[in-house]
Amino acid sequence: AQSVTQLGSHVSVSEGALVLLRCNYSSSVPPYLFWYVQYPNQGLQLLLKYTTGATLVKGINGFEAEFKKSETSFHLTKPSAHMSDAAEYFCAVSLGNTGGFKTIFGAGTRLFVKA
Amino acid sequence: DAMVIQNPRYQVTQFGKPVTLSCSQTLNHNVMYWYQQKSSQAPKLLFHYYDKDFNNEADTPDNFQSRRPNTSFCFLDIRSPGLGDAAMYLCATSIPVAGPVYFGPGTRLLVL
Repeated sequence: AQSVTQLGSHVSVSEGALVLLRCNYSSSVPPYLFWYVQYPNQGLQLLLKYTTGATLVKGINGFEAEFKKSETSFHLTKPSAHMSDAAEYFCAVSLGNTGGFKTIFGAGTRLFVKA
Repeated sequence: DAMVIQNPRYQVTQFGKPVTLSCSQTLNHNVMYWYQQKSSQAPKLLFHYYDKDFNNEADTPDNFQSRRPNTSFCFLDIRSPGLGDAAMYLCATSIPVAGPVYFGPGTRLLVL
């Protein structure tokens, strides 16, 4: 079964430091992968997506992620953290038509940004 | 702007009193989802529709039902809410295959 695992339920960085949020997937077929951000009491907002093509994907708010098939990873990075980046981040995989078009989410990583 | 709309944003109900949460979309997407999200947890898929085809998750309680009268609207009915059903309920849509999921702002349900 396809799934995603997010390493680290909490990550804390200083403002201006590199943000690295880890996600590994398990998939027997080429996956469709996504990162979402959730601010308190709001729905999830799409940050970026990987479907096919270029393995380095750029998203909103300066975030990017690299699809590494050899490592089955799709880690999210941002060169310089901002206070406004503090939120919950979810990695997700779409099961496509073989899985009834369901999207499965990882457990989430809460990002804290220190001044 | 095309979007997913959920009403109300906050819903208070009494233990055992049926409640209906509403969702509408202007994206014209085939697939609509209902997720339940409890504090500090990932969204948990309850069920989804691909057009009119209803797909229930195996572990979704019978207490939860859904209706999709047309492409734009979807409803979540909780027949007899328990205290454990207090959560954020997220409606979402997508296009099939590789489409990302677009979420509404959620309805926070409180059960007294």
